[in-house]
Amino acid sequence: KAGVTQTPRYLIKTRGQQVTLSCSPISGHRSVSWYQQTPGQGLQFLFEYFSETQRNKGNFPGRFSGRQFSNSRSEMNVSTLELGDSALYLCASSPGLAGNNEQFFGPGTRLTVL
Amino acid sequence: AQSVTQLGSHVSVSEGALVLLRCNYSSSVPPYLFWYVQYPNQGLQLLLKYTSAATLVKGINGFEAEFKKSETSFHLTKPSAHMSDAAEYFCAVSHATSGTYKYIFGTGTRLKVLA
Repeated sequence: KAGVTQTPRYLIKTRGQQVTLSCSPISGHRSVSWYQQTPGQGLQFLFEYFSETQRNKGNFPGRFSGRQFSNSRSEMNVSTLELGDSALYLCASSPGLAGNNEQFFGPGTRLTVL
Repeated sequence: AQSVTQLGSHVSVSEGALVLLRCNYSSSVPPYLFWYVQYPNQGLQLLLKYTSAATLVKGINGFEAEFKKSETSFHLTKPSAHMSDAAEYFCAVSHATSGTYKYIFGTGTRLKVLA
């Protein structure tokens, strides 16, 4: 089975712009979670989608949003980018809801905001 | 509220020596506990998970962890370190509350293996 794929792998944006990141889960997995990883804050949970519905949300501002499509692929959008949004964004998929399941992580999208 | 504390952001061991990475959690209900490893420029990979079946959990690459409820700990060990074990290790906790739950990750421990 192919693993979790994320596109693009690297992205450079300027403050005020918006960005969309994409994640394709492992075939058959219905849950997709998103995380922000930074050296200072570590791994922080953004949200989880399961069967096209947001099931869980972390403590991020409304500028961070996501969605999931019927094929389980997910996108994450960040509007009005700030310098502090520079991070590695990781996507993870699970066969069921993530809480008691192993999560399979993609390689991440490294976002740099200038 | 649940939380995870990993003691030591950096740990160095000699090749062949014991690896011990510490993780303590707080949770008001029995949690699920996980250890993940992240190699440079890669995503995280599950090493092992505790789901209340057995207190000693064996994972991949010779790692194991013991759940100690009285100490609220879930330390990761490996008897003999290998150069390929150099990576960052994350402990994570999850439990259900009101029908929802969130994964909480620790801040990570970077393991360095010395030749």
